Amino acid sequence: QQQVKQSPQSLIVQKGGISIINCAYENTAFDYFPWYQQFPGKGPALLIAIRPDVSEKKEGRFTISFNKSAKQFSLHIMDSQPGDSATYFCAASMNNAGNMLTFGGGTRLMVKP
Amino acid sequence: DTEVTQTPKHLVMGMTNKKSLKCEQHMGHRAMYWYKQKAKKPPELMFVYSYEKLSINESVPSRFSPECPNSSLLNLHLHALQPEDSALYLCASSQDPWGGQGYTFGSGTRLTVV
Repeated sequence: QQQVKQSPQSLIVQKGGISIINCAYENTAFDYFPWYQQFPGKGPALLIAIRPDVSEKKEGRFTISFNKSAKQFSLHIMDSQPGDSATYFCAASMNNAGNMLTFGGGTRLMVKP
Repeated sequence: DTEVTQTPKHLVMGMTNKKSLKCEQHMGHRAMYWYKQKAKKPPELMFVYSYEKLSINESVPSRFSPECPNSSLLNLHLHALQPEDSALYLCASSQDPWGGQGYTFGSGTRLTVV
């Protein structure tokens, strides 16, 4: 059972545009929602994270929007740059589950110059 | 030091070989993890170590044997692997094993089983 569903699988955006990646979860016990960025040949790197008591969190060009009632959260990348081209994973974890992350399926983002 | 270091970066091994992957962190993190990642797929959890003790084994075959010699080191011993075990093996750590902690991942070991 896939507990975190991520869409789209791939995304092409022009430089300067907004990239939007969506995730939906099923388990209401999840209480921590991080986003990871992965470049080819590298491990995932923590980008930004949110907890369900906050509806939005912004760090630089990256914003997470969180909708607890809909069990959905999304990553917005403003002013997308070619250097943002990577695979993005949303994830979720529960406080009482050993900090195990459940990952979404990933989105391959390509930002065209 | 804010890194998780994994060695080797690449490994090719035969199905009868025994090899080990090594992971090291000096951030004082007390939870360490092994993940397996196939191409174009998300990482899949294999093992969790909490305070140097194995706390979670996600039904991983016994040909994978983890070891945590101390709070900074994590090994994954490999024996009699199959070609389908070829993947990127990622080590990660977090400050402690409780929920709501971001992971620091290493760059991984690219394993090819021939």
